[in-house]
Amino acid sequence: GAVVSQHPSWVICKSGTSVKIECRSLDFQATTMFWYRQFPKQSLMLMATSNEGSKATYEQGVEKDKFLINHASLTLSTLTVTSAHPEDSSFYICSARVGLAGGITSYNEQFFGPGTRLTVL
Amino acid sequence: SQQGEEDPQALSIQEGENATMNCSYKTSINNLQWYRQNSGRGLVHLILIRSNEREKHSGRLRVTLDTSKKSSSLLITASRAADTASYFCATDQVTGRRALTFGSGTRLQVQP
Repeated sequence: GAVVSQHPSWVICKSGTSVKIECRSLDFQATTMFWYRQFPKQSLMLMATSNEGSKATYEQGVEKDKFLINHASLTLSTLTVTSAHPEDSSFYICSARVGLAGGITSYNEQFFGPGTRLTVL
Repeated sequence: SQQGEEDPQALSIQEGENATMNCSYKTSINNLQWYRQNSGRGLVHLILIRSNEREKHSGRLRVTLDTSKKSSSLLITASRAADTASYFCATDQVTGRRALTFGSGTRLQVQP
């Protein structure tokens, strides 16, 4: 199957600093990438949809100025948590969706990255 | 927002027993997918069932889908201790965004 990587796999930072998380589709082109957040013992909640070459679409309640998303190429999307605070500590997971022209699948199959655990002290 | 609920929230069984998890959702879907997540780890895709399918099998997994009731079930037969994990259903909705919408999850504990 298609592979999506995330970097870093975990990060610990001080309150007030910014953290960048990368999501890469390794062997396919992803027209759309999604960013999810998962708090302990909870489900995944969609934060934003990232389309290559255009602005991200954020879900209600997600601050776009705090969670900056850049999808500069068909294989890379980045999420930057700006001025991180302890309440931003969470497990961040990206997924990549191949376009129909990608040829891998004909349905909306998404491939998930392994996640990034962010701890803000 | 979450599409729906899963029940039970937690399930503890003995090795060799079957485990059944249920998922309900709210809107029309293209397909429904089940994922597994070990504690603190990423998601593992288990199985996808399309809206025009009623049942699907993959190894020890059996998934059913009832679109009239907007519900699905995941059955794991002959469970093993290694099946201990959280299981999530996720729906691909007909309208709106193309992101998957996840259920609340079931935490399965299989006792050896």
